[in-house]
Amino acid sequence: AQSVTQLDSQVPVFEEAPVELRCNYSSSVSVYLFWYVQYPNQGLQLLLKYLSGSTLVKGINGFEAEFNKSQTSFHLRKPSVHISDTAEYFCAVSETQGAQKLVFGQGTRLTINP
Amino acid sequence: GAGVSQSPRYKVAKRGQDVALRCDPISGHVSLFWYQQALGQGPEFLTYFQNEAQLDKSGLPSDRFFAERPEGSVSTLKIQRTQQEDSAVYLCASSPRGTTNTEAFFGQGTRLTVV
Repeated sequence: AQSVTQLDSQVPVFEEAPVELRCNYSSSVSVYLFWYVQYPNQGLQLLLKYLSGSTLVKGINGFEAEFNKSQTSFHLRKPSVHISDTAEYFCAVSETQGAQKLVFGQGTRLTINP
Repeated sequence: GAGVSQSPRYKVAKRGQDVALRCDPISGHVSLFWYQQALGQGPEFLTYFQNEAQLDKSGLPSDRFFAERPEGSVSTLKIQRTQQEDSAVYLCASSPRGTTNTEAFFGQGTRLTVV
């Protein structure tokens, strides 16, 4: 079984400041790693994913994440945030074999202040 | 349509009422998933279909929950005798393959409120 822990339930930052949203996972098998974003009253949209290869993954909207196997982490970063980045962010994992149902963290609410 | 479509978007049910939630996946997608997202929580897996076969229903919280996908495309999640704890957003997702899926496409969800 897998589990995902998002260490911060809320992160307030000022516009144009950098941000890091933290994610740690636990799994006894090999996993894929994902970050999804959820805007108010909308479904989940994939930001980026780590499948294999380079541990630094770049996604949409200027976000990137780094996979650290030894620390079982997959933190999300953006060097300069915008008001439009205000949303809920979910880290998720799925097994590399089988149906790949997603196991999500509890989410981090990112609030951008002007 | 181009994306996953769910209906209705909002549903208010009286306690004890039966409800049916519909999901239209992306055309041709083999895998279909249902998730339940309680307020302030991350989505939790309910059930999974590969074409018309329900291969995993380990996340269904009780026997009041039932899902089907009879023709391998549209899926319906049915909740019988709804309870207040069933209030949540129900998300549907589809993926193009049966295994080795690396991206799930989500619908906007159905917000169920049981009063």
